[in-house]
Amino acid sequence: DAKTTQPNSMESNEEEPVHLPCNHSTISGTDYIHWYRQLPSQGPEYVIHGLTSNVNNRMASLAIAEDRKSSTLILHRATLRDAAVYYCILRVNMYSGGGADGLTFGKGTHLIIQP
Amino acid sequence: DTAVSQTPKYLVTQMGNDKSIKCEQNLGHDTMYWYKQDSKKFLKIMFSYNNKELIINETVPNRFSPKSPDKAHLNLHINSLELGDSAVYFCASSSAQETQYFGPGTRLLVL
Repeated sequence: DAKTTQPNSMESNEEEPVHLPCNHSTISGTDYIHWYRQLPSQGPEYVIHGLTSNVNNRMASLAIAEDRKSSTLILHRATLRDAAVYYCILRVNMYSGGGADGLTFGKGTHLIIQP
Repeated sequence: DTAVSQTPKYLVTQMGNDKSIKCEQNLGHDTMYWYKQDSKKFLKIMFSYNNKELIINETVPNRFSPKSPDKAHLNLHINSLELGDSAVYFCASSSAQETQYFGPGTRLLVL
């Protein structure tokens, strides 16, 4: 999996939007951009993923740059329960021959939410 | 029902012992994984199993051996435990390259 770069930590206030950036300048055309998060003392959980277009789901939005070299995870209204480490991960498109390999986690961004 | 479950949640044992951690998934997935999260919180893939075949095996000591009795289970056996094996071990499952679902983790402490 290609490498991603994220800030070590970010801080935000409760009920405000949060924009978590991720740089992936070496992304290939077959890589999907995945986001997972790990709440304290829990296993990682899936947040969202996308290829080229912006994506929305009930948890977050994913904004992907036109050149795909960066992306931003957007939490529209952060709550205290969103305090976690957020990981941006690139994965090969399974339909392009990617195998059933594991996720390559970086250091992630530690998101702190202030009440 | 819990999608991916692990037992035990906590495991404290002496150096040199042999132990097993169990993992079960009820999602009907065909691929299961084991990850290790060390004291510095780095998460690293150890193994993945697809249809009872080992797909990858990162540079993990051969003291660690995954065993899959059926598609819903992937157990992790560890022989001759060492102090450095202390970590949190996470099991996960997915359907091929789809979203991975993680278990709650097993906190292993080797004394």
